[in-house]
Amino acid sequence: GAGVSQSPRYKVAKRGQDVALRCDPISGHVSLFWYQQALGQGPEFLTYFQNEAQLDKSGLPSDRFFAERPEGSVSTLKIQRTQQEDSAVYLCASSLLAGGNTGELFFGEGSRLTVL
Amino acid sequence: GENVEQHPSTLSVQEGDSAVIKCTYSDSASNYFPWYKQELGKGPQLIIDIRSNVGEKKDQRIAVTLNKTAKHFSLHITETQPEDSAVYFCAANNNAGNMLTFGGGTRLMVKP
Repeated sequence: GAGVSQSPRYKVAKRGQDVALRCDPISGHVSLFWYQQALGQGPEFLTYFQNEAQLDKSGLPSDRFFAERPEGSVSTLKIQRTQQEDSAVYLCASSLLAGGNTGELFFGEGSRLTVL
Repeated sequence: GENVEQHPSTLSVQEGDSAVIKCTYSDSASNYFPWYKQELGKGPQLIIDIRSNVGEKKDQRIAVTLNKTAKHFSLHITETQPEDSAVYFCAANNNAGNMLTFGGGTRLMVKP
């Protein structure tokens, strides 16, 4: 497809389980972002990649959260030992150019994580 | 860091009326202000953006105004239609320009 693809769309995890969320950005897009969106709230920044380099991870809420983009294309957000407060929609976005203010962010439909 | 406040949180208008959503930001270094529309179960989609070198931008029924001195910007939708019903988010970039801070969102309901 031509858009940003995220999988799984829905994930239910028991507290303490590890989860991995995948993002396929638009082909050729340099920048990739992960955002967390709690119910009824705006997206909150987690981390930013320029190609394979993770240039900003200041929004990751704890060391249980880890993201990678090893070949500068597909990215994975991993959450270890999930907690109930991790329940949210995790949005991935990509942008053609470097940085976040040079053009449109294209968002995927998100991965909804529910931790029981 | 940047803080973006958005209001109202909900807005109900009659079809054909205008809708206005307002946002304020805290970082005077911000220079890029996009607006996103999010429909249920979908990711946010850019509808219009404005940079700090202009005060107003218009695209058909949608317009955005920016007041850098007061650090606020607004979205104006005229002749609203039922398909405009969605959640709208304003955003501002950070000092390094590599991320967006979003407002809390406005749920717009357009009644036919």
